[in-house]
Amino acid sequence: DIQVTQSPSSLSASIGDRVTITCRPSQSIYGYLNWYQQKPGKAPRLLIYSTSNLHSGVPSRFSGSFSGTDFTLTISSLESDDFATYYCQQSYSIPPLTFGGGTKVENK
Amino acid sequence: QVQLQESGPGLVKPSQTLSLTCSVSGGSVSGGDLYWNWLRQPAGKGLEWIGRMYSTGTTNYNPSLKGRVSISRDTSKNQYSLNLSSVTAADTAVYYCARDTGTLGAVDFWGQGTLVTVSS
Repeated sequence: DIQVTQSPSSLSASIGDRVTITCRPSQSIYGYLNWYQQKPGKAPRLLIYSTSNLHSGVPSRFSGSFSGTDFTLTISSLESDDFATYYCQQSYSIPPLTFGGGTKVENK
Repeated sequence: QVQLQESGPGLVKPSQTLSLTCSVSGGSVSGGDLYWNWLRQPAGKGLEWIGRMYSTGTTNYNPSLKGRVSISRDTSKNQYSLNLSSVTAADTAVYYCARDTGTLGAVDFWGQGTLVTVSS
């Protein structure tokens, strides 16, 4: 199974801050990395697929990238609606489809 | 717009079989390069993938569930179902049905989720 290590597990940030979250897979996944946002009591929402492609309707302040061994989700300027938990997910080697442990973005 | 809705008992006794159904509208469970998934999330924890069915009926399951899982479908009703046998308290979670785009594996449409509690 491919494991995905996500960091940090939580972070505190203020409105307007630039936020970055990282995922490192246990082996190469050739760009098959997706990002989700989840708010309490709600289903996850797809933000970015295949490393850097913005899903329909997702604001442009969200972006994804890859460098070296790490995939990164960046929120360029944090808004109040962005306080949530974020998950990465690899879709290169299935089964199983695997998720990172999540990053909770809290208000500083 | 694709919509998914989970239904089934909210309480299951230990050692019994958990059964849930996902009703799909706005798309067909038997067409396209699409997978129809089940996932779960214990309270306060992360997401776990249970398994999925391709539009042709082929299934994939999470090996960690050690053969307790089966996914089936009723194409006449445009529904697919989850059976999880020999449940324990560790299977208590919010269960989601969701669609992924087969080629990319990105889960783009989700049901609202349904809480299943395993307790006597």
